[in-house]
Amino acid sequence: EPEVTQTPSHQVTQMGQEVILRCVPISNHLYFYWYRQILGQKVEFLVSFYNNEISEKSEIFDDQFSVERPDGSNFTLKIRSTKLEDSAMYFCASMSLTSGEQFFGPGTRLTVL
Amino acid sequence: RKEVEQDPGPFNVPEGATVAFNCTYSNSASQSFFWYRQDCRKEPKLLMSVYSSGNEDGRFTAQLNRASQYISLLIRDSKLSDSATYLCVVNKDNDMRFGAGTRLTVKP
Repeated sequence: EPEVTQTPSHQVTQMGQEVILRCVPISNHLYFYWYRQILGQKVEFLVSFYNNEISEKSEIFDDQFSVERPDGSNFTLKIRSTKLEDSAMYFCASMSLTSGEQFFGPGTRLTVL
Repeated sequence: RKEVEQDPGPFNVPEGATVAFNCTYSNSASQSFFWYRQDCRKEPKLLMSVYSSGNEDGRFTAQLNRASQYISLLIRDSKLSDSATYLCVVNKDNDMRFGAGTRLTVKP
């Protein structure tokens, strides 16, 4: 069964450093998403991506964040200068337009020290 | 008003109990609806889509009331393995909005 994959599973970084979180969505899906979940809190929408551009972004997704689909498979989230409050699980998801169902990757746990 | 609102629980029920979760959404133009389940420190996993006619998958029944902007999930004969957080998700124009989740613990 096809699945969304994410790397790394855990990333530890120093405050102010740049991080890139990687995702490989399900191959025939066209809509991609990033979410974050701070420990013990709800899943929060960051950004959606369709047709090689951002479709929608939340107020969390400020200038420190960017997304890219550098090739036909990877979908990346970059945080330019990490802050302590960026520590969270970051989930990538992709969606089938035929079913409207969204499938999540296993997440990357980001710890900013 | 929150976009998607759920009773946070927690719901603590014995094995075999029937439990119901409710969810309301604010945007009447929302197009599709889902229940996801999330285990501790894991990704959300799709449990079932929710249709206006109601739909059932084994012990799970989902209902949608568009007029009231209300979604429900019923779990019958609950098992220990049903313990998780249940997330109500609403889609409008391919943008998904999540409720905060309802925590369920099924006890022996």
